[in-house]
Amino acid sequence: AQSVTQPDIHITVSEGASLELRCNYSYGATPYLFWYVQSPGQGLQLLLKYFSGDTLVQGIKGFEAEFKRSQSSFNLRKPSVHWSDAAEYFCAVVETGTASKLTFGTGTRLQVTL
Amino acid sequence: KAGVTQTPRYLIKTRGQQVTLSCSPISGHRSVSWYQQTPGQGLQFLFEYFSETQRNKGNFPGRFSGRQFSNSRSEMNVSTLELGDSALYLCASSQGLVISYEQYFGPGTRLTVT
Repeated sequence: AQSVTQPDIHITVSEGASLELRCNYSYGATPYLFWYVQSPGQGLQLLLKYFSGDTLVQGIKGFEAEFKRSQSSFNLRKPSVHWSDAAEYFCAVVETGTASKLTFGTGTRLQVTL
Repeated sequence: KAGVTQTPRYLIKTRGQQVTLSCSPISGHRSVSWYQQTPGQGLQFLFEYFSETQRNKGNFPGRFSGRQFSNSRSEMNVSTLELGDSALYLCASSQGLVISYEQYFGPGTRLTVT
């Protein structure tokens, strides 16, 4: 079964600094990949998704992610972090054959210092 | 347009009891998925319903069940509650398959089992 790994449990960055959150997937073919964000006490919000085509995907709130097949990675990036970006970020993949069943990574908690 | 609504938001139950959680999807959405979120296991897929039919199911015991009504509202039921069932239960709705339509999450129901 497909899986995604988020190696970083917790990351702290200064406001205005750049951000990269790592996600590695395990799947032979091209997977359907997603990044979600969860603010405290809230549900999840979709930031962006990759299915095929251009490997650099633009999302909401100034986020982007790059799909790298050679590295089995789908890292999330933002050039300049804002204090409001502090949240938990989840990478997810759709399980093959389901088209709707998401498998999530363990999440990366982002702390932003002023 | 109103978002995904989950009721109740908080619930405290005793071991051995049963509980029913409710989810009202966004108007026009026919797919409802349920997820369990715990600190130890992270986000795990429970099941998905589309047009009153269960389309996908996660790896949870039979104590976890769900259903969807003709108006797309969904309920999930957990019988014979165990301490380990304490979690945030998230509901998500979409117009169809996750690979084709964005999934919108509700704020969740926080279940505490004592």
